[in-house]
Amino acid sequence: QQKVQQSPESLSVPEGGMASLNCTSSDRNFQYFWWYRQHSGEGPKALMSIFSDGDKKEGRFTAHLNKASLHVSLHIRDSQPSDSALYFCAASEKNYNQGKLIFGQGTKLSIKP
Amino acid sequence: ETAVFQTPNYHVTQVGNEVSFNCKQTLGHDTMYWYKQDSKKLLKIMFSYNNKQLIVNETVPRRFSPQSSDKAHLNLRIKSVEPEDSAVYLCASSHRFQNTLYFGAGTRLSVL
Repeated sequence: QQKVQQSPESLSVPEGGMASLNCTSSDRNFQYFWWYRQHSGEGPKALMSIFSDGDKKEGRFTAHLNKASLHVSLHIRDSQPSDSALYFCAASEKNYNQGKLIFGQGTKLSIKP
Repeated sequence: ETAVFQTPNYHVTQVGNEVSFNCKQTLGHDTMYWYKQDSKKLLKIMFSYNNKQLIVNETVPRRFSPQSSDKAHLNLRIKSVEPEDSAVYLCASSHRFQNTLYFGAGTRLSVL
């Protein structure tokens, strides 16, 4: 079983709308989370990390972490066509590079003009 | 702005051949990684090096071998490629006190 599960598999949101992506870790040791975004033909790029319970906001992006349930979400407000991409949740046992980073299977986000 | 450079972008080869991929980072990081992204876009770590020392070596076939000459370079050699090796191979780097990875654009391998 994959340690990091994402939902939904794909999501379509109108331009200017709110996109919400979900991620859950099945391993209680994996408590440090990142969100990455991958545009077609490029490598993944880190959007933000979240290590503490609650919300973390960076521009139009807000991540929310519930450590008790090991659930993290990403909310994108005022979605733009350039937000269309594959979004990965990643989790690690540590917040420094001795910990392996395990990726979820991705959510494909499409923003419709 | 690209700071992790991978060559080649694409490589087409036949079963049984040997291939090598190169990666260089200019971020001053001390840890580098190889990830494999399959046709379903799943990302799986293969290897990671910290200051030229192997620190993660996932269960990958023995025909895969990473090579690091210094902390800015990490290459990947595949001896005798198999059809299931067709994938995108992504190189990444990070600083030892962070776990945020910086990825290159990848090398797409097609094995005929």
